[in-house]
Amino acid sequence: DAGVTQSPTHLIKTRGQQVTLRCSPKSGHDTVSWYQQALGQGPQFIFQYYEEEERQRGNFPDRFSGHQYPNYSSELNVNALLLGDSALYLCASSLVQINEKLFFGSGTQLSVL
Amino acid sequence: AQSVTQLDSQVPVFEEAPVELRCNYSSSVSVYLFWYVQYPNQGLQLLLKYLSGSTLVKGINGFEAEFNKSQTSFHLRKPSVHISDTAEYFCAVSDDRSGSARQLTFGSGTQLTVLP
Repeated sequence: DAGVTQSPTHLIKTRGQQVTLRCSPKSGHDTVSWYQQALGQGPQFIFQYYEEEERQRGNFPDRFSGHQYPNYSSELNVNALLLGDSALYLCASSLVQINEKLFFGSGTQLSVL
Repeated sequence: AQSVTQLDSQVPVFEEAPVELRCNYSSSVSVYLFWYVQYPNQGLQLLLKYLSGSTLVKGINGFEAEFNKSQTSFHLRKPSVHISDTAEYFCAVSDDRSGSARQLTFGSGTQLTVLP
């Protein structure tokens, strides 16, 4: 049983560019959450998707957007990249009924130069 | 708003010694509490969680934590650590205001290093 898979594992972009990160949830899970983990800090909640809709959002600007597909996979898009967007981006999946048990992927390391 | 404070950024300890990683939280409503572990180049793995009931929670790999409402703490303990426990540990909190979304607020982490 595959867990949460994220792609790519590493990514290098320059300021002003746009990036798309992808996540496939654990089999049977219907909810996907995205977190940003800056170096030396704990993860920060970006947003959560369920039934192809954004259900809750953390304190992140509109440059951060997402999407969930009918197969429950999800994308995180970041526009107009800033140096401060450099971080590890973690995807977590869960079942909406057992939402407190999150399974995390290994993340995508984004470097903005 | 809720917040989590992990009082120690780094904890070195010798193998087979006991360890306690401290976590304090602030919230104006009832909370749910979690400890996650992150090994190098990996995602986070749930160690244990407190939702309700007994304040002493046992998790995987021999870890346990005690919820203390009066002191707003949720310290993680292990009676005897192994080299393989070397990792970053994160305390996290969510509350019922987020409904079914269970948005987690994480602390800044504690790096546990087990020395031979």
